[in-house]
Amino acid sequence: GAVVSQHPSRVICKSGTSVKIECRSLDFQATTMFWYRQFPKQSLMLMATSNEGSKATYEQGVEKDKFLINHASLTLSTLTVTSAHPEDSSFYICSAASILSGAGNEKLFFGSGTQLSVL
Amino acid sequence: AQTVTQSQPEMSVQEAETVTLSCTYDTSESDYYLFWYKQPPSRQMILVIRQEAYKQQNATENRFSVNFQKAAKSFSLKISDSQLGDAAMYFCAYTHTGTASKLTFGTGTRLQVTL
Repeated sequence: GAVVSQHPSRVICKSGTSVKIECRSLDFQATTMFWYRQFPKQSLMLMATSNEGSKATYEQGVEKDKFLINHASLTLSTLTVTSAHPEDSSFYICSAASILSGAGNEKLFFGSGTQLSVL
Repeated sequence: AQTVTQSQPEMSVQEAETVTLSCTYDTSESDYYLFWYKQPPSRQMILVIRQEAYKQQNATENRFSVNFQKAAKSFSLKISDSQLGDAAMYFCAYTHTGTASKLTFGTGTRLQVTL
């Protein structure tokens, strides 16, 4: 099945620094990727939709200057948390849309997530 | 805006027994997809089952089946012959098209499986 690789799995950083999270589709081309945020014991909240070659679409309340998303190729999207603060500490998950050949069907595949802790 | 509601924060089932997790949703769309995702302690999201709204037949995947009531906007998940490995958070999710659309998740139900 399709695999989405997300790195790093865990990162600890100092307040004020920037952190980049990568999301790669390993065996398929993903024209669209999604970035979610999950606080402890809560649901996944969509942050932004990333389309290859165009600007990301951010959900209401998500600061685009703080959460920079780049989708430069069909297999890679990155989320950069700029000037991170303790309140940005969370679990970040990406997902990628794949058109499975022959199925005429699009499915979403999730990365394994990144736990960000800002000290 | 679409909303997804899971009214059971926690559920418990004995091994080999059957459990049903509830989900309701609100939408004005007629064509949409519903999902149940499992999130084990590893936090990897795993698709359990998928239902197209235009299909009247309830989706089934081995021990997992759904009861899709479109008029009532209800989408419950039944797990039969529960196994210890079924213990996880279960999220109900909605998307208004089947083509790479964003998912709206419910708040989740934590399922415990006891011996």
